Amino acid sequence: ETGVTQSPTHLIKTRGQQVTLRCSSQSGHNTVSWYQQALGQGPQFIFQYYREEENGRGNFPPRFSGLQFPNYSSELNVNALELDDSALYLCASSLIGGAGNEQFFGPGTRLTVL
Amino acid sequence: QQQVKQSPQSLIVQKGGISIINCAYENTAFDYFPWYQQFPGKGPALLIAIRPDVSEKKEGRFTISFNKSAKQFSLHIMDSQPGDSATYFCAARGGNQFYFGTGTSLTVIP
Repeated sequence: ETGVTQSPTHLIKTRGQQVTLRCSSQSGHNTVSWYQQALGQGPQFIFQYYREEENGRGNFPPRFSGLQFPNYSSELNVNALELDDSALYLCASSLIGGAGNEQFFGPGTRLTVL
Repeated sequence: QQQVKQSPQSLIVQKGGISIINCAYENTAFDYFPWYQQFPGKGPALLIAIRPDVSEKKEGRFTISFNKSAKQFSLHIMDSQPGDSATYFCAARGGNQFYFGTGTSLTVIP
């Protein structure tokens, strides 16, 4: 069983650019959630994808968008980057319809916006 | 508005002591309460979790105490070890979304 993986590990962008982050869910999981974790803070829910559709969204603007693919992997896209977008972006996978409630996190992508 | 309030922000405990971290919530629709442990440069790892119909859950040295009427829950780490030094987050699930506390940085002194 493989865990949640994310790429890239680190990324540096400048204000106004666009970025794509990638996540492979844990084997057997069908749902991916994305979180933003600012330094010294808890993770903040961005959105969740299930069956390739957005399945819930937190308080983030539309320039944060995502995709889920048939193999349940996912992308997070952020347009028009702002300095405040600098954070650790976490992906978590889980199984909707399964017996448990757990979500498992990947190691994250550290995004720095200059 | 912070949906889950966590305290203390930081905690220093002697090896072998008990570490206690507290969380409070307002939304009675929350139906699952996990605790996560996070080491620097890593993603959060699930430590232990509880449902609101249970008042206590113990797994090894880790215990969650849950008070539904007070809308509070806490993590107790017994016999704390230097390897437990990490940041701990409580969370609560409402619908599809997990709401996290702001974290507690735990340092266990040898």
